[in-house]
Amino acid sequence: GENVEQHPSTLSVQEGDSAVIKCTYSDSASNYFPWYKQELGKRPQLIIDIRSNVGEKKDQRIAVTLNKTAKHFSLHITETQPEDSAVYFCAAVYSGGYQKVTFGTGTKLQVIP
Amino acid sequence: NAGVTQTPKFRILKIGQSMTLQCTQDMNHNYMYWYRQDPGMGLKLIYYSVGAGITDKGEVPNGYNVSRSTTEDFPLRLELAAPSQTSVYFCASSYEYFSDTIYFGEGSWLTVV
Repeated sequence: GENVEQHPSTLSVQEGDSAVIKCTYSDSASNYFPWYKQELGKRPQLIIDIRSNVGEKKDQRIAVTLNKTAKHFSLHITETQPEDSAVYFCAAVYSGGYQKVTFGTGTKLQVIP
Repeated sequence: NAGVTQTPKFRILKIGQSMTLQCTQDMNHNYMYWYRQDPGMGLKLIYYSVGAGITDKGEVPNGYNVSRSTTEDFPLRLELAAPSQTSVYFCASSYEYFSDTIYFGEGSWLTVV
């Protein structure tokens, strides 16, 4: 089955700096890669996603890159703000004949004012 | 739209008791899911449903049961609660099967003592 590894597990950055979270996956058939943000005590919410036919996607201060050959994808947050502090989860999804989503174990991001 | 609504938000169960977590969505999504999230961990899929009358096991189905009699409702039943089932439970739904935004409920904090 699919295995998703996410690093680092915790990340502290100064406000205004950039943060990068990396995920690797094992199943080359996975074709959809969403990122979810979970604030303390809240539900996970989708912040950005990328499909396997795209190498990079950007939405304001957030970007995701995908390297299908190396089977890894990354979340990039620029100009971090205190409200970016949360746990971020990556996921790898195979949506073919047998469909399955596997989440990473999460990265706790702390933005220090 | 209320989105995904799940109840109760908090519950303490004694070992061996049974209970049902309720979940309903008003977005007319065919696909619904139950996840559990252990402290500091990622999301594990318990059960999922692709439509009324159709359910299937996820990664960690043991000790749980589900039913899907309507498009809107997807209750999760815990039989003979065990301490290992202490977790946060999230119900979720999506328009397309996994490869689309997954909308999560607010979570149900369950403690088994």
